[in-house]
Amino acid sequence: QSALTQPASVSGSPGQSITISCTGTSSDVGGYNYVSWYQQHPGKAPKLMIYEVSNRPSGVSNRFSGSKSGNTASLTISGLQAEDEADYYCSSYTSSSTPWVFGGGTKLTVL
Amino acid sequence: EVQLVESGGGLVQPGGSLRLSCAASGFTFSSYWMSWVRQAPGKGLEWVANIKQDGSEKYYVDSVKGRFTISRDNAKNSLYLQMNSLRAEDTAVYYCARELGAKDYWGQGTLVTVSS
Repeated sequence: QSALTQPASVSGSPGQSITISCTGTSSDVGGYNYVSWYQQHPGKAPKLMIYEVSNRPSGVSNRFSGSKSGNTASLTISGLQAEDEADYYCSSYTSSSTPWVFGGGTKLTVL
Repeated sequence: EVQLVESGGGLVQPGGSLRLSCAASGFTFSSYWMSWVRQAPGKGLEWVANIKQDGSEKYYVDSVKGRFTISRDNAKNSLYLQMNSLRAEDTAVYYCARELGAKDYWGQGTLVTVSS
């Protein structure tokens, strides 16, 4: 099974908004609302930022939001801050024999 | 406080075996699916395997089927990953994670290096 498709890198200036896309198929992103997003700083474990497409866990800033249209999910970060610089991964449930798949990851640079 | 602590990583020769453990605390372990996720050096995340609350269902990524076995001991609040016939491409940090539709808590990871 192929990983979900994310841009390799995105960048933005402090205070700006950025959006990271995550493209799959009707067998994963488009077929289920089990899309999640993870933030990973270098040398650290991933941290859940968005679950079930658009829900934020307790403690996650409301600057982070998620959405989905068709086979593409998106993570938007508004009011960029230096601490947001990290790698971001999307994940989805799939109907294949392997029930979970990740995207290839996107490196966010805060200029 | 939810805590997941992995152990058992290390250096192993190709074709060798290793058993990873994940000790869980701070939640009712027996109520959750659990997963193993790995990350090769400088690469992205890869879901490896998961197991249902009572161990009755297990799923694996194709690349480890027949070589890796996930298991759990709810009495010991522990998750395991038995890895056999290890290959160089299995070199990675292995994370255990709690599943609730998403992986909401992660351990700090344990490094497995497969090399001669």
